[in-house]
Amino acid sequence: EADIYQTPRYLVIGTGKKITLECSQTMGHDKMYWYQQDPGMELHLIHYSYGVNSTEKGDLSSESTVSRIRTEHFPLTLESARPSHTSQYLCASSENPHPSSYEQYFGPGTRLTVT
Amino acid sequence: KNQVEQSPQSLIILEGKNCTLQCNYTVSPFSNLRWYKQDTGRGPVSLTIMTFSENTKSNGRYTATLDADTKQSSLHITASQLSDSASYICVVSDRGSTLGRLYFGRGTQLTVWP
Repeated sequence: EADIYQTPRYLVIGTGKKITLECSQTMGHDKMYWYQQDPGMELHLIHYSYGVNSTEKGDLSSESTVSRIRTEHFPLTLESARPSHTSQYLCASSENPHPSSYEQYFGPGTRLTVT
Repeated sequence: KNQVEQSPQSLIILEGKNCTLQCNYTVSPFSNLRWYKQDTGRGPVSLTIMTFSENTKSNGRYTATLDADTKQSSLHITASQLSDSASYICVVSDRGSTLGRLYFGRGTQLTVWP
């Protein structure tokens, strides 16, 4: 069982609100990721981090931002939520060995609904 | 374009029966292929991971195969149980970057009926 946590698990919020989705891991992994997943669709990488003070945008354009001040913590923020942001957000982290063998561990996800 | 295609999109089987899920990919250069199980409302959990030189790997009742020449993989589930009901996602990693980027299929939604 992976030690990666996400809060809240479910969030329903009105348009225009600022929200922060929390992600933390206790495995000491340097690499962390945020994915967005709509029902029946594949996961899309929206942000990733190689380590503290490192953040990069992923393949899917997102209005969200991330920060990595501590190794174990990788929060995602939406300054002004819109209905188009309604989706499931999954956080993941990976081990540090050679990239060809690393494993990604996923959190349980946050289901966000913007009304 | 790097892609991962899975079939069937959904599958219903009776408890105790076997089934096989398919995955075709075009990701290059290839690093490894994983199968994940994702329960509804949860994050994916890894079942198997195979590199270029491996053509089969088992994890309990789950057996994955890989044909790197034809760029195909399958996941065989033996003696299915109700708890096997989930989405099974094929994920291919490339070795073209230090990130080891992952390419996800859309998954096969498996439902096991009693």
